[in-house]
Amino acid sequence: DAKTTQPPSMDCAEGRAANLPCNHSTISGNEYVYWYRQIHSQGPQYIIHGLKNNETNEMASLIITEDRKSSTLILPHATLRDTAVYYCIVRVSTGANNLFFGTGTRLTVIP
Amino acid sequence: GAGVSQSPSNKVTEKGKDVELRCDPISGHTALYWYRQSLGQGLEFLIYFQGNSAPDKSGLPSDRFSAERTGGSVSTLTIQRTQQEDSAVYLCASNERGLRDEQFFGPGTRLTVL
Repeated sequence: DAKTTQPPSMDCAEGRAANLPCNHSTISGNEYVYWYRQIHSQGPQYIIHGLKNNETNEMASLIITEDRKSSTLILPHATLRDTAVYYCIVRVSTGANNLFFGTGTRLTVIP
Repeated sequence: GAGVSQSPSNKVTEKGKDVELRCDPISGHTALYWYRQSLGQGLEFLIYFQGNSAPDKSGLPSDRFSAERTGGSVSTLTIQRTQQEDSAVYLCASNERGLRDEQFFGPGTRLTVL
């Protein structure tokens, strides 16, 4: 159930902003955009989610286009510890039982 | 506070043997999920518990796979007559169903079937 499309890999220089894109052109009106990341040998970790407004928390910012067909996760000052696979997931916030993870974007932060 | 824990962290078994994987969710979380992740792949949903009942078992790949949850807390995933294709990292997550619906994942159990 691959509702999202992400580039397989990206590099980012340490200290710079990392902008990770995601396409979700078939998103429904009641589906949220979630982002998780998975650092090597760990379980996935929730980052942020949003419906249609841009969102910001202590980890990242989420920019959702007005037509909601794509979004961008922004890590404002990438560190080496941000090297991970980043998953963009669309789902109904309540009622859905599980998360459909695709293969994500492997972000490598370069010193 | 304590997060989701899983045991064992690694399990090596021979083809045809049964294995049990354990998940201790965060205290108070009523929802519990099992996923598996094959090498280089995304996560594959297996089963979801709400309390002790499993309203969604749709992801279990065969009848060799089963899971139970007791006391609304600990869950055990059992794989009978293991096959080499069962080799994967088995991840458990829990949450308290609500507006944010964030799932908290454990570190996983790496299962290797020889």
